[in-house]
Amino acid sequence: NAGVTQTPKFQVLKTGQSMTLQCAQDMNHNSMYWYRQDPGMGLRLIYYSASEGTTDKGEVPNGYNVSRLNKREFSLRLESAAPSQTSVYFCASSEGPQRIQPQHFGDGTRLSIL
Amino acid sequence: KQEVTQIPAALSVPEGENLVLNCSFTDSAIYNLQWFRQDPGKGLTSLLLIQSSQREQTSGRLNASLDKSSGRSTLYIAASQPGDSATYLCAVPELMNRDDKIIFGKGTRLHILP
Repeated sequence: NAGVTQTPKFQVLKTGQSMTLQCAQDMNHNSMYWYRQDPGMGLRLIYYSASEGTTDKGEVPNGYNVSRLNKREFSLRLESAAPSQTSVYFCASSEGPQRIQPQHFGDGTRLSIL
Repeated sequence: KQEVTQIPAALSVPEGENLVLNCSFTDSAIYNLQWFRQDPGKGLTSLLLIQSSQREQTSGRLNASLDKSSGRSTLYIAASQPGDSATYLCAVPELMNRDDKIIFGKGTRLHILP
């Protein structure tokens, strides 16, 4: 069972570069989420998608864009990376809203911005 | 705004002991509460989701209790094993608006001493 798959696992960027983090789930879940996890700050929601074709801002959306490509895939794009975006990024999915359904997380992408 | 606190931030316990992890939240009007486990370098794994109408939820050696009126939940781990070493996080829904958000505590880092 693959569950939630994130690529790449590690990435180093220079300030100003762009990149897209990929996430795919094989559980036929409707809802998908992007979080960042920073020491002392815990997990913070960046964007989420309640269903294919919809996206909504979370707590810390600035500097990011997302695309729900289809039901399986939800990508996160950094258009112009900044050192403050150095973090571990997690994608998660749930059958329905995460407020009422358990979530499944990927293993994360460790991103460093120099 | 909902706030979630987990104390202590770290805990070391000899193997075989029973232990309790604590989670407190400020807004008692919650649908549910989730407990997660996070291993180093990995994503979160949902352990238990306890509904607001329940007082307890059990899975193997784990038992989660919920007291909405006092804004507290505990995760009881029986007969601890070195494999239980991980960070444990609790999370509750944010109900201030209609967004699909949950609020995570910063976690308790548990180390089981062999």
